[in-house]
Formats: sequence, C-alpha cells, structure tokens
Amino acid sequence: DQQVKQNSPSLSVQEGRISILNCDYTNSMFDYFLWYKKYPAEGPTFLISISSIKDKNEDGRFTVFLNKSAKHLSLHIVPSQPGDSAVYFCAAIHVRNYGSGNTGKLIFGQGTTLQVKP
Amino acid sequence: DVKVTQSSRYLVKRTGEKVFLECVQDMDHENMFWYRQDPGLGLRLIYFSYDVKMKEKGDIPEGYSVSREKKERFSLILESASTNQTSMYLCASAPLDRVRTFSNQPQHFGDGTRLSIL
Repeated sequence: DQQVKQNSPSLSVQEGRISILNCDYTNSMFDYFLWYKKYPAEGPTFLISISSIKDKNEDGRFTVFLNKSAKHLSLHIVPSQPGDSAVYFCAAIHVRNYGSGNTGKLIFGQGTTLQVKP
Repeated sequence: DVKVTQSSRYLVKRTGEKVFLECVQDMDHENMFWYRQDPGLGLRLIYFSYDVKMKEKGDIPEGYSVSREKKERFSLILESASTNQTSMYLCASAPLDRVRTFSNQPQHFGDGTRLSIL
C-alpha cells in the first residue's frame, strides 16, 4: 500500500513560469513532509520541509503548501529555471522515539521528473 | 557539509554471492539508513540504525541484513544475491533529535551504488 503518492511521473514547463509538483498521502500520523531533488548519478538532496501543523513554508523560490483535510501537498517553484530540471521526491515521516532521541522512517513517493525548457 | 560516502559507484555480482555495500558518514550522526531506488517505486527503506549495534527493519528487509559496529559506518549485506536485487542502493545519515521537540532533521544521502546481479 503506497502511503505517499506522486501521480504525475513527469512535468514540463517553460523557464520563468511556475512549476507545481503534487503529492498525496494516506497516513494522518505523518509529522513532517519533505521534498528532495535528485539529479542523475547523484544522491537526493533535501530541498524544503513542512511540519504537519503548518500549511505553508517558503524558502526563496520554493514554497510548499499542505492541505491536511485533503491529505495533499504541493511544491511550487517560481520562477522555474533550467537548473531545476531533476527528479523531485515527496517524502513523509512519522517521528517516534528510538533510544535516547527521536527519528523516523521516511516514506517516499515515486518521484516526478521536472523538465524546465529554456 | 555532511559527507556520506558509498564505497562503490558500480558493482556487478553473480547470483548466490554474498555482497557487501559499505557506507561511511563524517558528521557523527546517530541515524543511518539504507534505501533502494527502482523506477516507478521511488525510494524504499530496507533497514535503518539509530545507534551502534542497533537496527530496525524498514519496508523491504527480506534478503538483506545490516551491520553497525562503528558509529560512522553502516553496511548492507545481501546474504545470497538474486537478480531481483539489481537496483540503485542509497545510504543516508541524519542526527538524532535529543531535545524531544520533534523538530525535523533531514537525511543526507550518498551518491548511490548501482548494483547489478547477473
């Protein structure tokens, strides 16, 4: 059962326009949601996150929106640049106590390949 | 900057072999993780460790084991390699949240090992 889903395998936008990547989830126990970006032959790199108690988080050109009632989040990139072309993974985490601290398992979506055309 | 180093970028092994994938991080992180990435499935957690000698199963632990004898090193072991274990394997590390604020601590990934089982 896929707890985190990215239903669009690919997205193509023009440089300078907005890119909107979508993600749906099923588990209401998730505490945080994260977006990672992955270039070919590299590991994923952390982009932005949002706590489940927030509905928006912004960092420069990147904004993540969370709609808890719809169990939906989205990543907005404005303006899009050719260097943003990559695979974007949505991920969610339910934080628990392990040993002397807290951590959790990241549950990833399938990924969306973004292509930004010059 | 956090550095997560995976010992091999590419590896070719034969069915039935015992395979070791090594991962080292240099940031004194308590948590280390092993994922595999497959097309259309995103990243799936195999095992993680929140302390030396401690391990927790992820979503797909069958056919794998792990070893964490030192804090900086986390090894993934394929006990008897099979063709369905051909995949991209990614290691990650993250600090443990000790202050119990449930603050988000993003994972840092290595560049991956492309493993082919023939």
